[in-house]
Amino acid sequence: DVKVTQSSRYLVKRTGEKVFLECVQDMDHENMFWYRQDPGLGLRLIYFSYDVKMKEKGDIPEGYSVSREKKERFSLILESASTNQTSMYLCASSPTGRYGYTFGSGTRLTVV
Amino acid sequence: KNQVEQSPQSLIILEGKNCTLQCNYTVSPFSNLRWYKQDTGRGPVSLTIMTFSENTKSNGRYTATLDADTKQSSLHITASQLSDSASYICVVSGILTGGGNKLTFGTGTQLKVEL
Repeated sequence: DVKVTQSSRYLVKRTGEKVFLECVQDMDHENMFWYRQDPGLGLRLIYFSYDVKMKEKGDIPEGYSVSREKKERFSLILESASTNQTSMYLCASSPTGRYGYTFGSGTRLTVV
Repeated sequence: KNQVEQSPQSLIILEGKNCTLQCNYTVSPFSNLRWYKQDTGRGPVSLTIMTFSENTKSNGRYTATLDADTKQSSLHITASQLSDSASYICVVSGILTGGGNKLTFGTGTQLKVEL
């Protein structure tokens, strides 16, 4: 089974801190995604990547950046955390040309 | 605008009963439709995936249907169990100009199964 691992289940950070959320997948998938999930809004795409060192903006990229230096790892960066970035963050990966979309367990980030 | 709407927003049923969740979408061009189950505090887990040509697909006690003409899907849960309590999310994949897919997520139906 594909495994998508997010490094932290829960994080509490202070306003203005730089925050790194890490995601690792173990099935050599080309595509990786970062979503945030908020009540009543569903999942919204922040950034995605189709290959190493490639990144594309999703629907809500403001306040975020990403890094993909290795195929298996996709990092989400909050340059200066704000309280409106308190949310559940979900990483996902998928292979190119085939169906299959696997989510990590999520990181619940609270910015105080 | 591509949208996915789910109903009801929430549902409470007794253990052992059946229930049906609805998903209507406007995503076009359509590639596939997926149903996910998401337990509280966890990531979504795939239940079924259906392409344009598939009308129904089962996964144990879960049966999904798709009517691509009316752009409607349903997820039927048979003989519900307490462990079915979760959020069920409908996700529609649309085909992007130039290739690739884009997922549009519904906001989910929160199901609670009680004794």
